[in-house]
Amino acid sequence: SQQGEEDPQALSIQEGENATMNCSYKTSINNLQWYRQNSGRGLVHLILIRSNEREKHSGRLRVTLDTSKKSSSLLITASRAADTASYFCATKGSNDYKLSFGAGTTVTVRA
Amino acid sequence: NAGVTQTPKFQVLKTGQSMTLQCAQDMNHNSMYWYRQDPGMGLRLIYYSASEGTTDKGEVPNGYNVSRLNKREFSLRLESAAPSQTSVYFCASRSADTQYFGPGTRLTVL
Repeated sequence: SQQGEEDPQALSIQEGENATMNCSYKTSINNLQWYRQNSGRGLVHLILIRSNEREKHSGRLRVTLDTSKKSSSLLITASRAADTASYFCATKGSNDYKLSFGAGTTVTVRA
Repeated sequence: NAGVTQTPKFQVLKTGQSMTLQCAQDMNHNSMYWYRQDPGMGLRLIYYSASEGTTDKGEVPNGYNVSRLNKREFSLRLESAAPSQTSVYFCASRSADTQYFGPGTRLTVL
């Protein structure tokens, strides 16, 4: 069964606006990752946050993690048309080779 | 480096036919994975191989077999395809905690 669930399922924003999406999960984790998938392509790793971290930045991406609420958020600032994609959170447990993916948030950035 | 490559890109099968999806990586990664992606369901793990010579079942292994041919290659076999196996299949390899994905194979079973 899926560990993570993203919210919202879909998001439409204007170019230049910020996009925020959330991920909730059920069991304890070692780390949480976010991936992007452009239409018809494979997933690309964006950012990883470990269970002992609360916030992480990478370029225009900001990820937060609240282990007490078992939730994470991904913020994309100053969005561009090229950010149009589906975004997936994935969780990794301890002593585990596997990732559990959520169903994703589809983001459309309008010009 | 090509990264993770998958063949074929598209395939149409009839119910009961068999086929093998091929995956290769040139990053010298030990771990490799096969996922399927269905609308609204994210990625579900079919099988994975933590290292050369080992394979383990994931979340949805029924109807599939895998072979870790060597460190580079990890193939997925459908022995008797069913319409429920219509999906997009992704192969991935792992370095530390990051997974690197191939471009996918879009499979339709009629």
